[in-house]
Amino acid sequence: DAKTTQPTSMDCAEGRAANLPCNHSTISGNEYVYWYRQIHSQGPQYIIHGLKNNETNEMASLIITEDRKSSTLILPHATLRDTAVYYCIVRVGHYSSNTGKLIFGQGTTLQVKP
Amino acid sequence: EAGVTQFPSHSVIEKGQTVTLRCDPISGHDNLYWYRRVMGKEIKFLLHFVKESKQDESGMPNNRFLAERTGGTYSTLKVQPAELEDSGVYFCASSRYAGQMNTEAFFGQGTRLTVV
Repeated sequence: DAKTTQPTSMDCAEGRAANLPCNHSTISGNEYVYWYRQIHSQGPQYIIHGLKNNETNEMASLIITEDRKSSTLILPHATLRDTAVYYCIVRVGHYSSNTGKLIFGQGTTLQVKP
Repeated sequence: EAGVTQFPSHSVIEKGQTVTLRCDPISGHDNLYWYRRVMGKEIKFLLHFVKESKQDESGMPNNRFLAERTGGTYSTLKVQPAELEDSGVYFCASSRYAGQMNTEAFFGQGTRLTVV
């Protein structure tokens, strides 16, 4: 089972920031938080990941709470092309077992509206 | 740099036939994963290769599914014989370094398999 909880759906106005929350209260100390998205029926697209510090790249920002039990993905200026299903995933596996498989939940369907 | 490539993009076969899906990972990536999404369900992990070795095949549904990665490069996933419930989209993903948790996995566009 997925180790994260996300809202089923969200709306966002075009040009505004989209803030997608995720709860991962059982996360272990060495587990990373990853965000992927899937547009239509394309393959999942990597967005960003982090361990405990906030992260930013050209696509988004990731804010992780100090206790690491929740995080927020921020798309600073959402466009219509950002309409997709967004998955928050806690990366399973550890160095010695060398798995790193992703366990997908239902995700959040983000609808960006004009 | 080419991304993860999957072939074919679509396949329609009859129940009982055999189908082989192919995945070409990003060059130099040690890790290769197979996932699938069946109708209305979540994306599910199938198995994980590290180079040519199967690291984790806990998600393989049954012995009708056989995955190989000869030489540690491309991988094939064979379904024999195919059943109706095998219909879905099969995704392949790759990531660079074996043993590192903080490397992102890149996905291919998937193969849509329809068993009739």
